[in-house]
Formats: sequence, structure tokens, C-alpha cells
Amino acid sequence: RKEVEQDPGPFNVPEGATVAFNCTYSNSASQSFFWYRQDCRKEPKLLMSVYSSGNEDGRFTAQLNRASQYISLLIRDSKLSDSATYLCVVNMRTGGFKTIFGAGTRLFVKA
Amino acid sequence: DAGVIQSPRHEVTEMGQEVTLRCKPISGHDYLFWYRQTMMRGLELLIYFNNNVPIDDSGMPEDRFSAKMPNASFSTLKIQPSEPRDSAVYFCASSGGPIINEQFFGPGTRLTVL
Repeated sequence: RKEVEQDPGPFNVPEGATVAFNCTYSNSASQSFFWYRQDCRKEPKLLMSVYSSGNEDGRFTAQLNRASQYISLLIRDSKLSDSATYLCVVNMRTGGFKTIFGAGTRLFVKA
Repeated sequence: DAGVIQSPRHEVTEMGQEVTLRCKPISGHDYLFWYRQTMMRGLELLIYFNNNVPIDDSGMPEDRFSAKMPNASFSTLKIQPSEPRDSAVYFCASSGGPIINEQFFGPGTRLTVL
């Protein structure tokens, strides 16, 4: 089993739709969590951090469920510009430090 | 402010040649990371440095890969000899801390080994 797993998609949604992605992680020692966005042929960029209490940034909401070991990203009122690959990232201390990126979920928003 | 700078942006070389990738982290960041991204394996952490010291190189695929950070503003990733399976995008990222801080990525070097 991979340490961080995501549904690769692609998710094809119309503009204005609400779409949700989940990401599961296997190591309970995981300490911090992020969602990154990566556009085609570009570098990953931080979308938002994920906190236990949940956090919202405009149309984007991230949640963490430590008991079930998953994080989620909800995008409301999706825009054409939201089309990208969304990567979940898990950082953990296992003696040293380890950062693991999920394989990414591809989103296409269509007019 | 300048972000993470990588050079070259594109590199095409022949099998057996030495390849050197370069990275300048964001000033003041004390963590530097080297990643490799391929369609098959996604984004993989190769090695990371803290205060110019290599901390974990367990992701380096084999002895043909080596990385150095001679000072706080410069790092290199070297592949010698290169092989076609090394073809990938190599990203450098820097951060002000390992666990809770955002990593800022450079634009990447697209390496093709023929």
C-alpha cells in the first residue's frame, strides 16, 4: 500500500460545480498536511495547509480526519482556471523527517 | 523577491554523459530539497539539506546521483554517468522549516537522456 494515496481522476466537471478530492495516508505519525496545485509543465505551488479544525480559503475548504487518516479538499463554484492537478502532501517525523507527495488528482473544469 | 532559481531549464544529453543541475534557494531558507518527477512515479524526494548539511539521502536512486550544498545560496545535483531512465523533471525546493512550513519550488529542470 502506498503511504499517500489519491484517486488519479480525471475529474471532469462543468463550471460552477462542487468537487471534492480525498487523500488517505498510512502513517499515523504524520504531522502536517498540505494541498498543492500543479499546472501542466509547471512547478507545484501551495494551495493551502490542512488543519485539524478544518480551514477555508474562498471557494476552497480543506479538512483533516486523523482518526480515519485522510484529508480532503472541496472546491465550490469551480472555475475554468481551477483545471490542474491537485497534490496532497504529508510530512512526518520518523526518526528524521519525511515528506511524501501523493500522485495527484487531475481536474478538468469545462465551460 | 526572487523565488527558487534553477538552471538549466532544459537539458538534453547523451547516455553516459555527466549532468549537473543547479539550484539557488530563497534567501533565508535553511531547508533545501531535491525532487524528481516522472509520469510513472510521480514526485519523489531525493535528498534534503538543513543548513547546508545533507540530512536524508535515502531517496537518491543510486550511486550515480550525488548532491552538494557548498553554501546557503547554492546546491547542485549531479548524475554521472547519465542513463535514459534518468529522464525526468528535477525540482529544487526551499523552506524555512521542514514540518509546518510551505516548500517553495523552482521551475524545474527538464532532463532528457538519449
